[in-house]
Parts: sequence; C-alpha cells; structure tokens
Amino acid sequence: DTEVTQTPKHLVMGMTNKKSLKCEQHMGHRAMYWYKQKAKKPPELMFVYSYEKLSINESVPSRFSPECPNSSLLNLHLHALQPEDSALYLCASSQIKSLYGYTFGSGTRLTVV
Amino acid sequence: KQEVTQIPAALSVPEGENLVLNCSFTDSAIYNLQWFRQDPGKGLTSLLLIQSSQREQTSGRLNASLDKSSGRSTLYIAASQPGDSATYLCAISGGSYIPTFGRGTSLIVHP
Repeated sequence: DTEVTQTPKHLVMGMTNKKSLKCEQHMGHRAMYWYKQKAKKPPELMFVYSYEKLSINESVPSRFSPECPNSSLLNLHLHALQPEDSALYLCASSQIKSLYGYTFGSGTRLTVV
Repeated sequence: KQEVTQIPAALSVPEGENLVLNCSFTDSAIYNLQWFRQDPGKGLTSLLLIQSSQREQTSGRLNASLDKSSGRSTLYIAASQPGDSATYLCAISGGSYIPTFGRGTSLIVHP
C-alpha cells in the first residue's frame, strides 16, 4: 500500500461545530504532517509528528488540535473555526529523514460557514 | 532560511510542445528535491524525487535535473498533452527534513 488516505473528502461545518479530519497510511512511515492550502498558494505546514510525538507546531491556533493515536493514523480535531479557516487540508507522510520523499493524501476540502 | 522560486508562474502552450519548468533555491545544503503535480482542489502527486547525490531522474515523458552548485532544478516535459495541465510544485528538503515549497507553475496545455 503506497497511499495516504484522507477522510472525509469534503466537509462543511458551522463555526460552533466540532469535527475531525482523518488520515491513514500503511507504508511504515514514522513521520506524518498536516498542511493547510489556500487557493493558488503552496501548502503551509501546520504540524509534524515523529514517532507518534508532536515535534513541530507552526504556531497554529488552538482551535486546531492534532492527534496521532498510532503510527498509521493522524487526526485533526476542529472546534470553533472561522470562515478564514476554509481551505484544503492535506496530510502527508514520510520516513523520518524523508529519504524517499513525501507522500500526500488527496486532501479534505473544508468550508466553514 | 531556504527560499524556493519557481519560474514561470504560469504557462500556456499548444499540445505537442516540449516544456521546461524551473525551480531555484538559495541554500545548496539540500537532502533531496521532489517535483509534484497538483490538479485543482486535489492532493499532491509525486512525479520525481532527486536525492542530493543524484543529477537527474526520468519517468516516461518527464525528466528532472538537479544542479546544487547553481541552486537550480528543471522539470522537462516532452511532447506535452492536455492531460498535463495542472500546477507543478517543487519541494526541497534540507537539514530539518521538512520540505520548503515553491509557489508552483500553473500549466495549461491546449489542444
């Protein structure tokens, strides 16, 4: 299996809702990433997990809460989001030293209303 | 801090042309360089990965080269097709192993 699977593909949520994005990989990668991407911009790093531990948090607001329950799963919990948080959220994984590069999922298109 | 620039920002060509997309970077101490393709609203699909010790990689009609001394990589697309229309991103991994992305080249190949 050489894929990163993200669910759901689309999500519409109100500003008072709580929702979660899920990411799964079975390539044995021990580094997993969350990115946010706005239209016509490159992906912007949010969080990095190495060996299931949070290693990088790029000053992301607390309304985004990541979780890595095991080496194959990565979640992003969302609460009290703002309309400007609407974006494509991408998950990626790699070997710890990214020896073989990065594998990205197909993303979740999030709309906050 | 690594800075990555992609030129041109946008490109529109007729089908059949051979294309060169450019990626330049400021810090030559890189670990690897990866070219991605992104269709509108979709995830990133890896096209080619060049390790720091390599000079080029090829896959089908695609060829990517790396010149660390000049801080440049090129992605060559031979005999372009409408299905090649997408945004092409280069990502450079350095000592932190976190990729730095360029802003991408938006390519349209018209029939």
